[in-house]
Amino acid sequence: DGGITQSPKYLFRKEGQNVTLSCEQNLNHDAMYWYRQDPGQGLRLIYYSQIVNDFQKGDIAEGYSVSREKKESFPLTVTSAQKNPTAFYLCASSEGGRNTEAFFGQGTRLTVV
Amino acid sequence: AQSVTQLGSHVSVSEGALVLLRCNYSSSVPPYLFWYVQYPNQGLQLLLKYTSAATLVKGINGFEAEFKKSETSFHLTKPSAHMSDAAEYFCAVTPSGGYQKVTFGTGTKLQVIP
Repeated sequence: DGGITQSPKYLFRKEGQNVTLSCEQNLNHDAMYWYRQDPGQGLRLIYYSQIVNDFQKGDIAEGYSVSREKKESFPLTVTSAQKNPTAFYLCASSEGGRNTEAFFGQGTRLTVV
Repeated sequence: AQSVTQLGSHVSVSEGALVLLRCNYSSSVPPYLFWYVQYPNQGLQLLLKYTSAATLVKGINGFEAEFKKSETSFHLTKPSAHMSDAAEYFCAVTPSGGYQKVTFGTGTKLQVIP
């Protein structure tokens, strides 16, 4: 079945550590996205990539980094510079261009301990 | 610039009653509009989308939404609520140029009372 896989589902990190969240899609979509979700704030865009080897900052990119070396993969690293990393992270992909919607993964809940 | 406003962060309805979730948008160009549903600890699933083909859009699970340009609204409705409809619903808007510039609303949690 085609879809988006995020792993792990739950992740615990000690303060001061970097951590990488995985996102893989087999939908052959060009565009991929990372969102952060906090209660009452909806979804906020962290980074997005419209094509391999290219990505752009979203609204809240500080303290995060990404790479897009392969079409199907778009990992997100939460660095120690992110002051409040505890949140629910969602990865999505879309065909790109007009008249398309995004397909979402099941999310990763990151908790700093 | 574009934005969406979802009125009411929490909505409660009785099972079998009408569901009405409100969404108003602001867009400087003709928009595409979406409704997504999110169940606890899961990702978002597309319910329906408006892309200017028809103002009344039917989606999955018996939901529909009507695009009203004069009111800049895209409210989500369902005639009869079911317990399984309890979830969080997000309205989203993007200029017709593509998804990558989509803006999400802050969400409305729907509670269905038996």
